[in-house]
Amino acid sequence: DVKVTQSSRYLVKRTGEKVFLECVQDMDHENMFWYRQDPGLGLRLIYFSYDVKMKEKGDIPEGYSVSREKKERFSLILESASTNQTSMYLCASSPRGQSYEQYFGPGTRLTVT
Amino acid sequence: GQSLEQPSEVTAVEGAIVQINCTYQTSGFYGLSWYQQHDGGAPTFLSYNGLDGLEETGRFSSFLSRSDSYGYLLLQELQMKDSASYFCAVRGTRNQGGKLIFGQGTELSVKP
Repeated sequence: DVKVTQSSRYLVKRTGEKVFLECVQDMDHENMFWYRQDPGLGLRLIYFSYDVKMKEKGDIPEGYSVSREKKERFSLILESASTNQTSMYLCASSPRGQSYEQYFGPGTRLTVT
Repeated sequence: GQSLEQPSEVTAVEGAIVQINCTYQTSGFYGLSWYQQHDGGAPTFLSYNGLDGLEETGRFSSFLSRSDSYGYLLLQELQMKDSASYFCAVRGTRNQGGKLIFGQGTELSVKP
């Protein structure tokens, strides 16, 4: 079974802090994705990566950056956390060419105070 | 712009059949996926339609009509455990990295 793990289930940070969210997958997938999920808005894509060191902006990249130095690990960085970044963050992965079937991690619920 | 429309809530009784519709308007289209998410859980993949027609997987079926920009998820013999949110998602074209664009989700409540 594909396993996608995220570094924290719950996280509380202060406004202005730098925040790192880590995601690791164990199935050698080329594609990795970061989403945020807010009530009534569904899942919105922040960034995705289709290979090591490659990244593409999603629909809402502002205020975020990403890093993919190893194939299995995809990090989301909030350079200076703000209260409007309080959300559920979901990481996902998929094999190359199969982005229609993504495997999701359990999510990190981030609260910025 | 890009948009996917699906009902926000649907209620049905155990043993019944329910259909969750999804209409889309996107700049690129490569297929339609469906995901299930239980409260507090991660989304899990249910089905994918790359071509027109019906795909069946056990109690769940999914349909796509590309000419109508429309698809649906059909759940048969509903069980209480089917209570969850269901998301449709459009797969963009290759030059969009094949990324998924998700709808806002339909919350299905199954009553005894």
